[in-house]
Amino acid sequence: GQQVMQIPQYQHVQEGEDFTTYCNSSTTLSNIQWYKQRPGGHPVFLIQLVKSGEVKKQKRLTFQFGEAKKNSSLHITATQTTDVGTYFCAFYSSASKIIFGSGTRLSIRP
Amino acid sequence: NAGVTQTPKFQVLKTGQSMTLQCAQDMNHEYMSWYRQDPGMGLRLIHYSVGAGITDQGEVPNGYNVSRSTTEDFPLRLLSAAPSQTSVYFCASRQGSEAFFGQGTRLTVV
Repeated sequence: GQQVMQIPQYQHVQEGEDFTTYCNSSTTLSNIQWYKQRPGGHPVFLIQLVKSGEVKKQKRLTFQFGEAKKNSSLHITATQTTDVGTYFCAFYSSASKIIFGSGTRLSIRP
Repeated sequence: NAGVTQTPKFQVLKTGQSMTLQCAQDMNHEYMSWYRQDPGMGLRLIHYSVGAGITDQGEVPNGYNVSRSTTEDFPLRLLSAAPSQTSVYFCASRQGSEAFFGQGTRLTVV
């Protein structure tokens, strides 16, 4: 079935550096979602993108959906310790099922 | 304002034992899902439901059963626990695009 590959698996950055995680699919996606999971916590919805080439911003977070709707990225500008966690991309494989990528774990050196 | 409630939070089982993980939501959401989370593998869909009386298999359904007799409840049954089922289990519900997750159940099978 449809899958998404997420890279990198881990990223360790100095506080204040930027961070980017990428989500790639071999097939066209109808939509892409991003979730954040803090250590020991549960996934929390961040955003959904549905349009080709769509870009959305939430404060220091920028989300992009590729022109071909096969890839997406999440970019964090000037990371803070509160950004620590695992970031997942996800998509609807049918109207009912949400399938998740394997996630990118972000850790930050203060 | 409970949202999605999972019980228990922690459980240790012996190989071969059966048990039920409980999930309840108070948001009147139609869609509910069960995921398992293992290191490096993201969230994998076990079973899902599009409404009371309707369930379907996800990516990794073997060894698990579900039922949906009411809109609110979506229990996950482990028929005969195996060490490979040691994982963190998350229940999620949604009505629109955003999935809401419970706090998770950490299950260890010895």
